[in-house]
Amino acid sequence: DAGVTQSPTHLIKTRGQQVTLRCSPKSGHDTVSWYQQALGQGPQFIFQYYEEEERQRGNFPDRFSGHQFPNYSSELNVNALLLGDSALYLCASSSAKGGETQYFGPGTRLLVL
Amino acid sequence: QQQVKQSPQSLIVQKGGISIINCAYENTAFDYFPWYQQFPGKGPALLIAIRPDVSEKKEGRFTISFNKSAKQFSLHIMDSQPGDSATYFCAASIAVQKLVFGQGTRLTINP
Repeated sequence: DAGVTQSPTHLIKTRGQQVTLRCSPKSGHDTVSWYQQALGQGPQFIFQYYEEEERQRGNFPDRFSGHQFPNYSSELNVNALLLGDSALYLCASSSAKGGETQYFGPGTRLLVL
Repeated sequence: QQQVKQSPQSLIVQKGGISIINCAYENTAFDYFPWYQQFPGKGPALLIAIRPDVSEKKEGRFTISFNKSAKQFSLHIMDSQPGDSATYFCAASIAVQKLVFGQGTRLTINP
């Protein structure tokens, strides 16, 4: 049973560029949440997708956008990258019917130069 | 009101000792309190979780103590081992919505 997978594992971009990160949820899960974890900090909630709709959003600017596909996988897009966007981006999946537990993927380490 | 405050920031415990990490919250609507363990370069892994209708939950060497009136909860790791050395995060959420994380505790178990 595959857990949550994310790609790529590492990414280096320059300021102003755009980036797309991908996530496949754990088998049987239909809800995907994205978090940003700066070095030495706890993860911060970006947004959550369910039934291909953004269900909830954290305090992040519109440069951060997402998408969920019919197979429940998801993408996180960040436009006009800033140095401060350098972080570990985590995807977590859960089941809307199965309760609150969110399972995290290994993350994508983004470095903006 | 959405914050979860975690302490201490770092903790050093001798092998075989008890590690204790504390968290406090303000939002009484929170109804799910998980603890995550994170190793360097990895994503957080769920350790144990509790709902506010119970005061304690134990799974192996890990125990959550929950004090609803004080709005506090804590993680106890019994017989701490070097392999437990990691960063631990408490979190809170309402139903299946976003997790609000504490700032993390870097735990070191000395052999």
